[in-house]
This record gives sequence, structure tokens and C-alpha cells, in this order.
Amino acid sequence: KAGVTQTPRYLIKTRGQQVTLSCSPISGHRSVSWYQQTPGQGLQFLFEYFSETQRNKGNFPGRFSGRQFSNSRSEMNVSTLELGDSALYLCASSPSIGHMNTEAFFGQGTRLTVV
Amino acid sequence: AQSVAQPEDQVNVAEGNPLTVKCTYSVSGNPYLFWYVQYPNRGLQFLLKYITGDNLVKGSYGFEAEFNKSQTSFHLKKPSALVSDSALYFCAVRDIDPQGTDKLIFGTGTRLQVFP
Repeated sequence: KAGVTQTPRYLIKTRGQQVTLSCSPISGHRSVSWYQQTPGQGLQFLFEYFSETQRNKGNFPGRFSGRQFSNSRSEMNVSTLELGDSALYLCASSPSIGHMNTEAFFGQGTRLTVV
Repeated sequence: AQSVAQPEDQVNVAEGNPLTVKCTYSVSGNPYLFWYVQYPNRGLQFLLKYITGDNLVKGSYGFEAEFNKSQTSFHLKKPSALVSDSALYFCAVRDIDPQGTDKLIFGTGTRLQVFP
């Protein structure tokens, strides 16, 4: 069974640009969550999508957005990039919504560097 | 809001010795607790979880964790450490905030270094 796939693995962007990251969950999983990992703030929850709808949202500005397609693949978009957006962005898939009984399966992440 | 604390930034242990990575939590209600491991340049891998039931939870790669309600702790343990266990370990708790957002809150991580 293929794991969670995130593309691209590495990305370098300039301040002010926008970026789109992609995540393909494990086959059959309908929930996709996104996390930002930085040395200063650690792992922080961005949002969760389930059945093409955003179900949970963390405390990030509106520059961070996402969507989910009918095949459960998800994209995350960051507009007007700032230096502080440099981070490892992790995607996690799960069979069901929320974090009640099932563990999340994480991808390898996309390392975004903003210069 | 729920929270977890990992009091040690780094834990050093000799190969073959038992290891413990500490985690304490602060929750209202019954906690849903998790341990994840992150190897260099990799995403997080699930190790184990506590939802309810037996206080001793067994997980992947020989790891186990003990849920202690009186001490509000969920320490990760392994009887005999391997060099390959060297990685970054995260404790996490499920949180549902007043707005109804359901998410995992992670600790700051503990780097485990196992020496040959």
C-alpha cells in the first residue's frame, strides 16, 4: 500500500510569490490534514479536509488556504509569501475525520524556503 | 486548551540500556495521547496511542508507553535501546477547542541519541 506522497520535496520561492503544495493520501483515506513545522514554533496544525470540505482550521492567516479534490488529493496554497513561512509542511492522511480513534499517516513533507 | 510538555530537549542512552522519553499533559476530560517519531528528512511516523483501557500501551518497534493519570504523564519507554532508535520523538494530545476545531497538539520534541 503506497504511503502519503507530497510534492515537491523541496521548493525555493521569493518573498511576495505564491506557492502550491500537493498531497496524495493513502488510498481509501478521506481525511487530509496539513501541519507546519518550524524550529521556533514546532508542529502547528493548519487545517483538515474531509470529503472535499474544510472541517477543521488552525490559527493561521488567510494567506494559507487549501482544497481537496474528489479523489481525496489535497493542495495547500500560500499567497504573498513571507520569510517566516519557511518551514517543513507536512501532510497527514487518515481514514476518518478528526483524531478520535485513528492515527494519522504523515508524508515526508515539503521543505519550503522563502528568500 | 489541551497541552503536552516534553521537559527534555535531548536524551542520551547507551545501546542496550532502557530508555525513557518523558511527556506530561494538561487536559480537561479524558485525554487522547499519541507518540510519533521523526527520522532525519522524513515525516512523522506513528508509534502508539492511548485512548482508553489498559494503562500500558504497546506500539511499533518495541516501544511502549505508560499512561499515569495521577501524574498526568505518558512516558515513552523501550527496554533495550538500539542505535537506529536515534531520532526526534513527539508526544501529542487531541484537542477540540471552543470553536470545535479538532486537531493534534504536539510537544516540542525530544531528540533521542543512542550511542553504540
